[in-house]
Amino acid sequence: IAGITQAPTSQILAAGRRMTLRCTQDMRHNAMYWYRQDLGLGLRLIHYSNTAGTTGKGEVPDGYSVSRANTDDFPLTLASAVPSQTSVYFCASSQLAGPAPDTQYFGPGTRLTVL
Amino acid sequence: AQTVTQSQPEMSVQEAETVTLSCTYDTSENNYYLFWYKQPPSRQMILVIRQEAYKQQNATENRFSVNFQKAAKSFSLKISDSQLGDTAMYFCAFMKHAGTSYGKLTFGQGTILTVHP
Repeated sequence: IAGITQAPTSQILAAGRRMTLRCTQDMRHNAMYWYRQDLGLGLRLIHYSNTAGTTGKGEVPDGYSVSRANTDDFPLTLASAVPSQTSVYFCASSQLAGPAPDTQYFGPGTRLTVL
Repeated sequence: AQTVTQSQPEMSVQEAETVTLSCTYDTSENNYYLFWYKQPPSRQMILVIRQEAYKQQNATENRFSVNFQKAAKSFSLKISDSQLGDTAMYFCAFMKHAGTSYGKLTFGQGTILTVHP
C-alpha cells in the first residue's frame, strides 16, 4: 500500500542521547516535511525539503537536523536530546503539481519521550 | 504571518445528527489553500477536505462540506449524518499558495469531536 512509513513507532530516550527518526514515502512526492505535535499547540513545522538534495528550516528547527539524500527518505536527527523535545513527530509529503498540489499526506507518527 | 484559530476546544453530537466546527484565519495573502484534517485516537492525520481560495464554490466530500467565507476569513466544517467513527480531533490548516516552493501548513489548536450513540 502506497504511503508514508515512520520508525520507530515510539521511543523513550535519555537526555543527551542522539536519535534519528526515520521517514520513507513511496509516492514519489517532491516535498517532505517534519512536524511536531504538542498538546494545545497543534502541529508545528520543524524542517522541510522541496526536493532531494535541498532542505530548509521551519518554525521550530532548533535542536533538529535533516537530510534528503534521495526522493523517498527524509530522516530527522536530534543530536543531543532534551526533555522539551518530548513530543509526537509526524512526517508528511506532498506533490508540487498534479490534481491536488501541495496537499500534504502524513505518516503514522513517532511518539518520543526524553527523560 | 498567518494564524489559524479554532475557538471550540470540544464539541459533541448525537449519532446521525449534524455538527459544525468553526475555524477562522488571519492572512494578508490572496491565494491560498485551506484544509481540515482528522486525527482519530489512532493518531493518524487524515485529510478530510481541501478548499482553494480562488474557488467560490464550497468543497464537499460525501458527508463533509465546508462553508468558506473569504471576506470574513472563515472556514467551517459541517459533518452531516454523524457516525461513531467521526469521533476524533479535527484540525483546520492554512497554506499559502506555494507554486514551486514549499507549502508551510499552519494549524489551529484543534477541536475534539465526540459522537455519542
